[in-house]
Amino acid sequence: AQSVTQLDSQVPVFEEAPVELRCNYSSSVSVYLFWYVQYPNQGLQLLLKYLSGSTLVKGINGFEAEFKKSETSFHLTKPSAHMSDAAEYFCAVSHNFNKFYFGSGTKLNVKP
Amino acid sequence: ETGVTQSPTHLIKTRGQQVTLRCSSQSGHNTVSWYQQALGQGPQFIFQYYREEENGRGNFPPRFSGLQFPNYSSELNVNALELDDSALYLCASSYALDGRYEQYFGPGTRLTVT
Repeated sequence: AQSVTQLDSQVPVFEEAPVELRCNYSSSVSVYLFWYVQYPNQGLQLLLKYLSGSTLVKGINGFEAEFKKSETSFHLTKPSAHMSDAAEYFCAVSHNFNKFYFGSGTKLNVKP
Repeated sequence: ETGVTQSPTHLIKTRGQQVTLRCSSQSGHNTVSWYQQALGQGPQFIFQYYREEENGRGNFPPRFSGLQFPNYSSELNVNALELDDSALYLCASSYALDGRYEQYFGPGTRLTVT
């Protein structure tokens, strides 16, 4: 079985400051890794995914994430936060695109 | 904007009733997954349908059932509703082939059980 841990339930940042949202996973098999964003009262939008190849993955809206197998981590980063980035972010893992396991989410609060 | 739609948007039911939620797929996608997202939590996988067959199930009781139709749209049925079934129900349509993966979520159906 797989599981995902997002230790930070909330992350406050100032506008234009760098962002890092942490994600750790556990799995006995190789996994695919995903980050999603959810705005209030909306569904999830895929930000980026790691399937194979380069461990540094670039996504939409200037976000990127690095897969570190030795640390079982897939942290999401962005060099400069915008007010429009304020949302909840979910990390997820899947072994075979069949079952997806989500973390509990991290709310990104962007202050002016 | 994706082609995944869900209906209804909101729904209020009474404990013990039954409910059917609907989801349309993105054009070209043959897989639909359903998730339950309780308030303040991450989505929990309910089940997945691939070409009209159940292709995986999470830890949900049998009173949660589903269907996928030939046009790849899908239904989620919940019988004997309980208060804890109150949540946002999300569907996602997806496509995976030869190392490519595409997935889109619908906006969700907010179910309130009283």
